[in-house]
Amino acid sequence: AAGVIQSPRHLIKEKRETATLKCYPIPRHDTVYWYQQGPGQDPQFLISFYEKMQSDKGSIPDRFSAQQFSDYHSELNMSSLELGDSALYFCASSLRQGRSPLHFGNGTRLTVT
Amino acid sequence: AQSVSQHNHHVILSEAASLELGCNYSYGGTVNLFWYVQYPGQHLQLLLKYFSGDPLVKGIKGFEAEFIKSKFSFNLRKPSVQWSDTAEYFCAVNDAGNMLTFGGGTRLMVKP
Repeated sequence: AAGVIQSPRHLIKEKRETATLKCYPIPRHDTVYWYQQGPGQDPQFLISFYEKMQSDKGSIPDRFSAQQFSDYHSELNMSSLELGDSALYFCASSLRQGRSPLHFGNGTRLTVT
Repeated sequence: AQSVSQHNHHVILSEAASLELGCNYSYGGTVNLFWYVQYPGQHLQLLLKYFSGDPLVKGIKGFEAEFIKSKFSFNLRKPSVQWSDTAEYFCAVNDAGNMLTFGGGTRLMVKP
């Protein structure tokens, strides 16, 4: 069965550069969530989308933006990267109707040097 | 690729019952292990984690988990559940490549 796909798996960037992370939800899932987890830290909810509209906003910095496209994939755009942005970014998808369980991607490991 | 299995998809318990949720993973190398919880209407939060040391890990809200390397397991336990423990629980494994693999989740309902 198809799972949530995230790309790239690993990304190394320098300070002040930009990065784009992608998340492809399970087919027919209409909701995507983005989380950031620093080393040894709790996951922090960043943002979520439902039917291509932002549905909830968490601790996403102003330097980051995200959107969900017509095919339901989502991209997290990160600009002016800082060392503290080094983390695992994982996304999850679900089908809102019927409160389907979350399905998670394997994450993107971002390292900012 | 590694995989994570949570055998119980739905669990229904009465308050004060004991809880054990199974989690098994396939990766044979060094792993970091996590349990996450998502309460109704809330976002994911970390319940507990194991990196190294004592294989019995204490988490928040009275939860604990035991890492048994020989069984590739990291089962979550709580001696006496409360209605407020109703939530979805996810086990996850972080391998040497630092990728995070989640289990399919267990939906726990605690009846008052």
